[in-house]
Amino acid sequence: EVQLVESGGGLVQPGGSLRLSCAASGFTFSSYNMNWVRQAPGKGLEWLSYISGSSSTIYYADSVKGRFTISRDNAKNSLYLQMNSLRDEDTAVYYCTSLSSAYKFLMGWGQGTLVTVSS
Amino acid sequence: EIVLTQSPGTLSLSPGERATLSCRASQSVSSSYLAWYQQKPGQAPRLLIYGTSIRATGIPDRFSGSGSGTDFTLTISRLEPEDFAVYYCQQFGSSPPGWTFGQGTRVEIK
Repeated sequence: EVQLVESGGGLVQPGGSLRLSCAASGFTFSSYNMNWVRQAPGKGLEWLSYISGSSSTIYYADSVKGRFTISRDNAKNSLYLQMNSLRDEDTAVYYCTSLSSAYKFLMGWGQGTLVTVSS
Repeated sequence: EIVLTQSPGTLSLSPGERATLSCRASQSVSSSYLAWYQQKPGQAPRLLIYGTSIRATGIPDRFSGSGSGTDFTLTISRLEPEDFAVYYCQQFGSSPPGWTFGQGTRVEIK
């Protein structure tokens, strides 16, 4: 069974940093491209970043480009999101998702981890 | 960047009724890259439909998707109590590369 478990969320002050992790199991992690998606309280879904299985290709949404960095460690079956220069509007539940390469849909979702940016 | 606009914002229906949800794109979307998700309160989204009309594993056949170009539709033929939720459409675009979501349609019990 595909399982994705996010961790690392919490309360951080504006301008601060946080590193999210996503532990994957139940599938061959290195073979799958991965994404981070977030959802602000009471709002819709926002795609943030993509990383290919080999880490050779990375994309970011404009809203986080230059502030967030996606990475992965295939030996540890883990996905990461380093978030710097956090703003109030970054407050959200952050989800890691696996990706269908053929149809580009978000297959597996974790339960999410809440990041709150507030002074 | 392609913008997806979902309508209506809220759909108030009774169990057993038919629900028709619309997703309109600001420019043409590849049918292969159009998906629909269901989200219930406190839960992660769940994939319903991908490739415009292909039901994901375990999704009942009362859910169907259709469309092409800029207009896509999710239809729930007969609403069951567990279908009352928020539904999002999603597309992948290659220029610039990235994924976008519609703002969601809430299907609520009338």
